[in-house]
Amino acid sequence: NAGVTQTPKFQVLKTGQSMTLQCAQDMNHEYMSWYRQDPGMGLRLIHYSVGAGITDQGEVPNGYNVSRSTTEDFPLRLLSAAPSQTSVYFCASAKGGGAETQYFGPGTRLLVL
Amino acid sequence: DAKTTQPPSMDCAEGRAANLPCNHSTISGNEYVYWYRQIHSQGPQYIIHGLKNNETNEMASLIITEDRKSSTLILPHATLRDTAVYYCIVRLLLGGNTPLVFGKGTRLSVIA
Repeated sequence: NAGVTQTPKFQVLKTGQSMTLQCAQDMNHEYMSWYRQDPGMGLRLIHYSVGAGITDQGEVPNGYNVSRSTTEDFPLRLLSAAPSQTSVYFCASAKGGGAETQYFGPGTRLLVL
Repeated sequence: DAKTTQPPSMDCAEGRAANLPCNHSTISGNEYVYWYRQIHSQGPQYIIHGLKNNETNEMASLIITEDRKSSTLILPHATLRDTAVYYCIVRLLLGGNTPLVFGKGTRLSVIA
């Protein structure tokens, strides 16, 4: 299993541009989520999904959209990038239910100029 | 979810036990205590979790006080590779998977 994969590893955007951060898992996990981590800070939840077709907002959802059309993929879309969205983005997945542990991807480093 | 309090940083000598404390005085009966760590900006890595009883796995031991208001993560023989930020998370489980809420954690420095 490749686990949780994220692409790209690093991206530079100009203010106002849009892009999609990709996240995929091959463990047949029901639960997937997106976090952002700013320098010196803990992770903050953006959006999460408990299964295909179901998404919900986390702590900091503004400026981001998600969809979950398949179990494997959970892309994060930035509609109009802002410098405040400069951060490291982590995707995570879990089997779902109970006390299942979450597995994190390696992260995408995003710089918005 | 209950809030946790951790010291911002700790040092530990290589080969010694690292004891990382966590206070969660408002924890409720159906909330688990989870520990994750993050090594140098990598994705967080699961370490251990527990509800009431002490737990041990190949990475660490988790000691939860009888009143469940605090816990300690123990790395029995710390190595330089254990240098990381350690997050204590209290997680409410409602029959389905729920998000992890991260604080700032404890930055553990293992010193040779």
